Amino acid sequence: ELKVEQNPLFLSMQEGKNYTIYCNYSTTSDRLYWYRQDPGKSLESLFVLLSNGAVKQEGRLMASLDTKARLSTLHITAAVHDLSATYFCAVVHNTDKLIFGTGTRLQVFP
Amino acid sequence: EAGVAQSPRYKIIEKRQSVAFWCNPISGHATLYWYQQILGQGPKLLIQFQNNGVVDDSQLPKDRFSAERLKGVDSTLKIQPAKLEDSAVYLCASSLYPGFYGYTFGSGTRLTVV
Repeated sequence: ELKVEQNPLFLSMQEGKNYTIYCNYSTTSDRLYWYRQDPGKSLESLFVLLSNGAVKQEGRLMASLDTKARLSTLHITAAVHDLSATYFCAVVHNTDKLIFGTGTRLQVFP
Repeated sequence: EAGVAQSPRYKIIEKRQSVAFWCNPISGHATLYWYQQILGQGPKLLIQFQNNGVVDDSQLPKDRFSAERLKGVDSTLKIQPAKLEDSAVYLCASSLYPGFYGYTFGSGTRLTVV
């Protein structure tokens, strides 16, 4: 059974600081998604990583995938309040099932 | 293109009552998923359809949950009878080519069982 773990579960950071969220998964997969969820809202797709070594960047967020280590990272650069949300990684399992991580709740304060 | 439509947005029921949720996926998306998201947790896959056939329902509590996808388009998820622990957001998602072209999620139905 595929397990997807994220850390940290909670992250409170000051505006302007950098931080990284980690996503580890237990079985082989070469496709991984990052989603953002605001309170009471659905899931917004941020990145899809389709191969080992893939790196995607959008604004202050950058995601990478290391399939050999079964690890993905979401790096936040110079955080701003608007980035406050819960972030989920999700791993594609058996070619078509999306299995979600535990989520990281990010709060950015002035 | 229109997104994944779900209804109702909110539902409050008493335990032991029944409830049904509806999902209309993006046109042409053959694969449809139902997820359960309990507060503070990541979404958990309940069931996957390919057209009108069930691909995976291994995580569906079949003693109380049922789902169908008639004609390979709309889908309904039913709970009967509901328990307190069923309180959650139920998300529907669809995909054209799962794993390659992404998954589009609906806004979800928030169920509260009292």
